[in-house]
Amino acid sequence: GAGVSQSPRYKVAKRGQDVALRCDPISGHVSLFWYQQALGQGPEFLTYFQNEAQLDKSGLPSDRFFAERPEGSVSTLKIQRTQQEDSAVYLCASSSGTSGTDTQYFGPGTRLTVL
Amino acid sequence: KNEVEQSPQNLTAQEGEFITINCSYSVGISALHWLQQHPGGGIVSLFMLSSGKKKHGRLIATINIQEKHSSLHITASHPRDSAVYICAVWGGADGLTFGKGTHLIIQP
Repeated sequence: GAGVSQSPRYKVAKRGQDVALRCDPISGHVSLFWYQQALGQGPEFLTYFQNEAQLDKSGLPSDRFFAERPEGSVSTLKIQRTQQEDSAVYLCASSSGTSGTDTQYFGPGTRLTVL
Repeated sequence: KNEVEQSPQNLTAQEGEFITINCSYSVGISALHWLQQHPGGGIVSLFMLSSGKKKHGRLIATINIQEKHSSLHITASHPRDSAVYICAVWGGADGLTFGKGTHLIIQP
């Protein structure tokens, strides 16, 4: 595709529900990153894949957060038993290189609201 | 964990003014990114720097590795430059660390 796409763009969940957020990176991009951006704040790193390997998940805030990229392309970020503090915009980015020293291309984000 | 500080947090200027946004970080890095985010919009990468200076149109970015400091300059600013400008650093671990952003408003 022309750019990074994310779906859904908006998600409203009741507290305790599970949600799944999808990211379609630019075709052929090796690296994929997930970030969380709370209202009025800068993004914060969640996790990073190189192809299908999850190389760094140090930013995931709790074991309720799980990410996968089984075939090295599309990635899914899953949040179990959502809490109100999970409300944020979840951003996905991809890059052609294998580290954070390459330009990252960002998707439009998924705005998650937990009621 | 790297601490990334941006200044100013908010900046309002008149069209045509020269704009400078500063970024400092606490721990040595491999690369620094300048990003632009429009209200309700996605994030666009402006520059990735590991040393020296880069220029793209009216935008100039510089980095001083020894002083752990980078600046983003906008020449001949225009209302369409109004956005949040975010500095982010990569140290090789813990992913990108982001500053809180600088909210820039250019008035006609």
